[in-house]
Amino acid sequence: DTAVSQTPKYLVTQMGNDKSIKCEQNLGHDTMYWYKQDSKKFLKIMFSYNNKELIINETVPNRFSPKSPDKAHLNLHINSLELGDSAVYFCASSPRGGTHNEQFFGPGTRLTVL
Amino acid sequence: GQQVMQIPQYQHVQEGEDFTTYCNSSTTLSNIQWYKQRPGGHPVFLIQLVKSGEVKKQKRLTFQFGEAKKNSSLHITATQTTDVGTYFCAGQNSGGSNYKLTFGKGTLLTVNP
Repeated sequence: DTAVSQTPKYLVTQMGNDKSIKCEQNLGHDTMYWYKQDSKKFLKIMFSYNNKELIINETVPNRFSPKSPDKAHLNLHINSLELGDSAVYFCASSPRGGTHNEQFFGPGTRLTVL
Repeated sequence: GQQVMQIPQYQHVQEGEDFTTYCNSSTTLSNIQWYKQRPGGHPVFLIQLVKSGEVKKQKRLTFQFGEAKKNSSLHITATQTTDVGTYFCAGQNSGGSNYKLTFGKGTLLTVNP
């Protein structure tokens, strides 16, 4: 039933480690996104893929690498984790662009870097 | 780049009082969306406004899009405890990326029963 799912829900790790977050949507949408929400609740877009093609790549450190194996999946790999990476990461999908880009968000992954 | 300012940052009301949050963009928008995020939850899409001067209602919620398509507001009549959460506006830049939304910083609404 879940429209946009993310795993894991919580991730606690040490500085310097590498970790991945997975996202899947079963809505048949063409476009998927990664957002970062910091402790002040500010939602900032990181990446977007449309039909497996990267279309938005904001100013994000190279340590973050998205991968979309197909249009229903968008994963996020983070290398050499830093304290400042601690945040909630939301995956989202939308039907397409233009006036059809209402975002359907996943439940979020709370990443804590120690 | 495009900026979307949202005020107030926080609003605390007594149950039954009205609430309004305002959103202003530094550039003309093609459309604006509103989302609600409950504490500990994820943002949930509420509505999209596309036309200049558009007004839409959802029960006690009224959404407006300014004539110049640079500002928007969300008004809740007679708040209830179920309205608690952070309300975000998100604008899509006119002439910009067809996919990118720029979110405001949100207004956290708390309601005293």
